[in-house]
Amino acid sequence: DIQMTQSPSSLSASVGDRVTITCQASQDISNYLNWYQQKPGKAPKLLIYDASNLETGVPSRFSGSGSGTDFTFTISSLQPEDIATYYCQQYDNPPLTFGGGTKVEIK
Amino acid sequence: QVQLVQSGAEVKKPGASVKVSCKASGYTFTGYYMHWVRQAPGQGLEWMGWINPNSGGTNYAQKFQGRVTMTRDTSISTAYMELSRLRSDDTAVYYCARDSSSWGSPIYYFDYWGQGTLVTVSS
Repeated sequence: DIQMTQSPSSLSASVGDRVTITCQASQDISNYLNWYQQKPGKAPKLLIYDASNLETGVPSRFSGSGSGTDFTFTISSLQPEDIATYYCQQYDNPPLTFGGGTKVEIK
Repeated sequence: QVQLVQSGAEVKKPGASVKVSCKASGYTFTGYYMHWVRQAPGQGLEWMGWINPNSGGTNYAQKFQGRVTMTRDTSISTAYMELSRLRSDDTAVYYCARDSSSWGSPIYYFDYWGQGTLVTVSS
């Protein structure tokens, strides 16, 4: 199975800060990577698909980049409503696997 | 609007089976693959497999082969996930999630999710 390593596992930032999360795949997955946001007690929500494409209706402060084994997810200006855990997910090779998550908090 | 509504929480004993339902509305049920993903308490997400609601075809993660069965009833636009021989480490919230693609094959990103069903396995 492809292992997805996310870092950091948690972070604390101020409103308006730029936040960056990385996800590393254990092998080349091209751009077959998605990012989800999960708020406490809720189902995940798709934010980014195919590494860099913004899902319809998602604010433009969210972005993604990367290919191969190294990927980055960015919130350009952190907002209070962005408090959540973020997960990357690969779909290059079954089984689909997720990163361990990054919990984002407000400082 | 698209909605996936799951059945309520379950408490099961080790060795038992559980069947979770996911009723779809707001779109053509047979047009989109349905996935199942679970999340143990305080843990990450784990993909279990998919079902093609049109054909009934399935693809299970190897970890769950032999224990999971995904079915559907197109007459009521409902997908089911049954997990057998439950163990304590099967305690988790189970989600159904719609595949984004309507092109006849899955593309493995999930645009709509159910609200989740907590399954607790305890003696």
